[in-house]
Amino acid sequence: LAKTTQPISMDSYEGQEVNITCSHNNIATNDYITWYQQFPSQGPRFIIQGYKTKVTNEVASLFIPADRKSSTLSLPRVSLSDTAVYYCLVGGADSWGKLQFGAGTQVVVTP
Amino acid sequence: GAVVSQHPSWVICKSGTSVKIECRSLDFQATTMFWYRQFPKQSLMLMATSNEGSKATYEQGVEKDKFLINHASLTLSTLTVTSAHPEDSSFYICSAANPGQGTYEQYFGPGTRLTVT
Repeated sequence: LAKTTQPISMDSYEGQEVNITCSHNNIATNDYITWYQQFPSQGPRFIIQGYKTKVTNEVASLFIPADRKSSTLSLPRVSLSDTAVYYCLVGGADSWGKLQFGAGTQVVVTP
Repeated sequence: GAVVSQHPSWVICKSGTSVKIECRSLDFQATTMFWYRQFPKQSLMLMATSNEGSKATYEQGVEKDKFLINHASLTLSTLTVTSAHPEDSSFYICSAANPGQGTYEQYFGPGTRLTVT
């Protein structure tokens, strides 16, 4: 079961790009990498999912190197409303039902 | 993305009573549902995984007789906290998924705040 490691917290100013790196050294071949955002007293919200290389959607980009032992979530031009906890989750068919959230990264965006 | 609802959004109960929390997937068939618990300033802790029509699989340390999970249909799972105690006060979150569709994305509900007095 892939364990993930993320920075505990990151601070940023509005309009800047925020990059959060997650380490998952023992990722399995069938595992996907998924990032979630959580605001206080709310359920996590899906941000992006990827398997390799780069994935981009309307809110973020996900960069995954060839060895897949880490991944980087990139949030372009953050705003105050991006202040939240971000979780990296690694899992797939073989670990289905055993997915565990790590500690997450608290991102604080200030004016 | 798919929509998952939880009911109630918050509940206060007395110690020793039981509380049922519903989790519904509103616009897709959830073959698998997960239940999490989250204490203040902490991450989500997986409690159990349930597949439609079968018994739930509980994580180590989670009492299956205290936290009863039923996943009777592809759109509904319930978590019943039996004989609740103040230490059961927490934020309970469910998620729904259908890995058979080729994605391992979980769709989370808004959570239920349980306070046991």
